[in-house]
Amino acid sequence: GAGVSQTPSNKVTEKGKYVELRCDPISGHTALYWYRQSLGQGPEFLIYFQGTGAADDSGLPNDRFFAVRPEGSVSTLKIQRTERGDSAVYLCASSPGLAAGQQFFGPGTRLTVL
Amino acid sequence: DAKTTQPPSMDCAEGRAANLPCNHSTISGNEYVYWYRQIHSQGPQYIIHGLKNNETNEMASLIITEDRKSSTLILPHATLRDTAVYYCIVRGPTGANNLFFGTGTRLTVIP
Repeated sequence: GAGVSQTPSNKVTEKGKYVELRCDPISGHTALYWYRQSLGQGPEFLIYFQGTGAADDSGLPNDRFFAVRPEGSVSTLKIQRTERGDSAVYLCASSPGLAAGQQFFGPGTRLTVL
Repeated sequence: DAKTTQPPSMDCAEGRAANLPCNHSTISGNEYVYWYRQIHSQGPQYIIHGLKNNETNEMASLIITEDRKSSTLILPHATLRDTAVYYCIVRGPTGANNLFFGTGTRLTVIP
């Protein structure tokens, strides 16, 4: 079956621009997670959705970052006024439900802010 | 969730067993040990998890010490495709839903 997909695979933007990153979770998975991975580091948690609502957004670094999941399936991570420090791989994962330690990851979107 | 300590890198000869250690001395009684790996330019991949007993699946074996303060992931016959960063993660059954990855162990399988 289809795994988690993320689009685009690569995104290059200029400092100050707005970007949207999309995640399509595995069908039927109610939980969705966003992580960010900088070079040489492990993934760092950003936000977690259970259904349509953001159950935990404690990892979002500041108010330039926002994510939505309006129908409980596809999610979009939005970054306003991008900065060079936002350059990283943004990973999305999904899992069947609450408290699932086994998360299924997508390939990530590599964001480069020039 | 408890934190973990792993060596930054290890080498293993192709065909030999790779034994990756992890210390989690502050683990609580209801916290599980999870292992993920990340092959270059891919997302992390779940390998195995356990609570107290040793576990085995088609990918690996997980050995957890009796006091649960450390564990070892064993890849019985390492192949070149097993070259990756391996992350040991401790997580409670009802804890935070995010996974704390740390920096992991970079395993290089040598031909």
